[in-house]
Amino acid sequence: DTGVSQNPRHKITKRGQNVTFRCDPISEHNRLYWYRQTLGQGPEFLTYFQNEAQLEKSRLLSDRFSAERPKGSFSTLEIQRTEQGDSAMYLCASSLETTDTQYFGPGTRLTVL
Amino acid sequence: GEDVEQSLFLSVREGDSSVINCTYTDSSSTYLYWYKQEPGAGLQLLTYIFSNMDMKQDQRLTVLLNKKDKHLSLRIADTQTGDSAIYFCAVIPGYSTLTFGKGTMLLVSP
Repeated sequence: DTGVSQNPRHKITKRGQNVTFRCDPISEHNRLYWYRQTLGQGPEFLTYFQNEAQLEKSRLLSDRFSAERPKGSFSTLEIQRTEQGDSAMYLCASSLETTDTQYFGPGTRLTVL
Repeated sequence: GEDVEQSLFLSVREGDSSVINCTYTDSSSTYLYWYKQEPGAGLQLLTYIFSNMDMKQDQRLTVLLNKKDKHLSLRIADTQTGDSAIYFCAVIPGYSTLTFGKGTMLLVSP
């Protein structure tokens, strides 16, 4: 078991560009979560999937954000037309449906110039 | 919505005990969690406690839960310099997503 992995670990982009992040959960976990963490704050929930179904989205997830989990395994988070305020650490977590205990990946740090 | 509060900073000497405190507003969380985050890294699950327990001990870690006061604490015995990190308290308020505090930065000096 290799744990939750995320790619890339760091991304620097210019304002207005689109970016996409990938998360691979722990293999037997059917729930996958995305969080965003800004400096000095705790992580804030963005969205989560159970298998391939996106069950909940936060108000933080503007129309420029979209997440997918097409085959119920890995997930992608895309941000279109990035803004400087999107600069943050994007964290992915996974869990079994039966426990809710979430295990986090190393995160993707996004810097929008 | 759910509110989770933590003190922002704690400084201790190596070998001392550290106690990190957390208060929360929603009592419906089945589990309550402590995560550790080192600089530039993701979150490491340290321990968790089931809501019908008062205490859980796991090696150097002791979690105390006072449901009446909605107060959770994490005690680290024999604190080491490698314990320096940010510690987050987190609860699940009635649905499956975690709500975190802002984190307590623990600084351990030799």
